[in-house]
Amino acid sequence: DTEVTQTPKHLVMGMTNKKSLKCEQHMGHRAMYWYKQKAKKPPELMFVYSYEKLSINESVPSRFSPECPNSSLLNLHLHALQPEDSALYLCASSRPGGGNNQPQHFGDGTRLSIL
Amino acid sequence: AQTVTQSQPEMSVQEAETVTLSCTYDTSESDYYLFWYKQPPSRQMILVIRQEAYKQQNATENRFSVNFQKAAKSFSLKISDSQLGDAAMYFCAYRSAAWANSGGSNYKLTFGKGTLLTVNP
Repeated sequence: DTEVTQTPKHLVMGMTNKKSLKCEQHMGHRAMYWYKQKAKKPPELMFVYSYEKLSINESVPSRFSPECPNSSLLNLHLHALQPEDSALYLCASSRPGGGNNQPQHFGDGTRLSIL
Repeated sequence: AQTVTQSQPEMSVQEAETVTLSCTYDTSESDYYLFWYKQPPSRQMILVIRQEAYKQQNATENRFSVNFQKAAKSFSLKISDSQLGDAAMYFCAYRSAAWANSGGSNYKLTFGKGTLLTVNP
């Protein structure tokens, strides 16, 4: 069983729709991540939250809007997406900061398809 | 910037045999962490094994072990007694050990392009 829970597992939406992806963890991690992954490619980092504050935005288009309401939850709000945004979206969490070997723990992902 | 190279896009192994996946990386840092992640068709990225750069001893986790050669910047993964459940995409990843005020570099995982491992019965 994964310790990082993502919902929904699958999402099909039109280009004019607004939807949200959700991620939850109860490991006490204070760093949370969103990744985008295309088929047979490595994950690409999108956003990092550390102590509920946005720490890294990898120049992601504004049609993706992250939100971290509390230390356990991470959302990704989607609006006016393009067909090329179809991908697997992975959430991860970890202990924040350097000096530790703690890995990122990943969820199962949300498979997003844009019509 | 760091780079991670996995030179084998695909590998195959017979069940119960041993296979080695290669990974090399480039960095100017002396302190960092290396990871191998496994991603089966079920999609979840699962940590297989981790290695701290300051440790000379190679990490092992049951049937999985690494050959860490810091001077050569090499971090290969050996899977012994391969099982059908080992079939997956394997990603090698690098993370800086710099402190939190380093501009976030210690949060970032730099992944290789992956090696797709097939296990034949």
